[in-house]
Amino acid sequence: EIVLTQSPATLSLSPGERATLSCRASQSVSSYLAWYQQKPGQAPRLLIHDASYRATGIPARFSGSGSGTDFTLTISSLEPEDVAVYYCQQRSSWLTFGGGTKVEIK
Amino acid sequence: QLQLQESGPGLVKPSETLSLTCTVSGGSISGSNHYWGWIRQSPGKGLEWIGSMDYSGISYHNPSLKSRVTISVDTSKNQFSLRLSSVTAADTAVYYCARGRQIRDPWNVFDIWGQGTTATVSS
Repeated sequence: EIVLTQSPATLSLSPGERATLSCRASQSVSSYLAWYQQKPGQAPRLLIHDASYRATGIPARFSGSGSGTDFTLTISSLEPEDVAVYYCQQRSSWLTFGGGTKVEIK
Repeated sequence: QLQLQESGPGLVKPSETLSLTCTVSGGSISGSNHYWGWIRQSPGKGLEWIGSMDYSGISYHNPSLKSRVTISVDTSKNQFSLRLSSVTAADTAVYYCARGRQIRDPWNVFDIWGQGTTATVSS
């Protein structure tokens, strides 16, 4: 099973700051990595698929990068509505999710 | 606009079978080449993919759940279902149904999700 490790566990930033979230895979997943946003009481929402492609309707401040084992989700300018837990998911070998990074506003 | 809605009993006894249904509205399961999946979320294990199925009944499930998982589809009702047998407290979770984004691909990300339903295993 491919294990996805996300860091940091919690990220606390001020509005307007840049948020950088990391997802590391235990073996190469090529570009088969996605990012989701989950707000309290809601289902996950697909943000990015195949490492860098924004899903339909996702604001341009969200971007993804990386390949192989190291991936990054960047929020270029944090908005209050971006407070959520962010998960990565790989689809290279079966389907597994990372443990999540919680983004808070200072 | 495609919507998914989970339903099922909120409480299941240990060793019994958990049965959940996902009703799809705003689109047809049989008219689509998408895979449809079940994912659960528990405090202890985070998000976990359970399995996925297409309209014809081709299915894949998480090997960690071994033979406890059955996923089926009822195209006449535009529904797909999950049965998880021999449940324990570790199966307590919020269960989501979701649509695979890319057609004809069981190894997918999920672009449309239901709101989730909580299933608690307790005597």
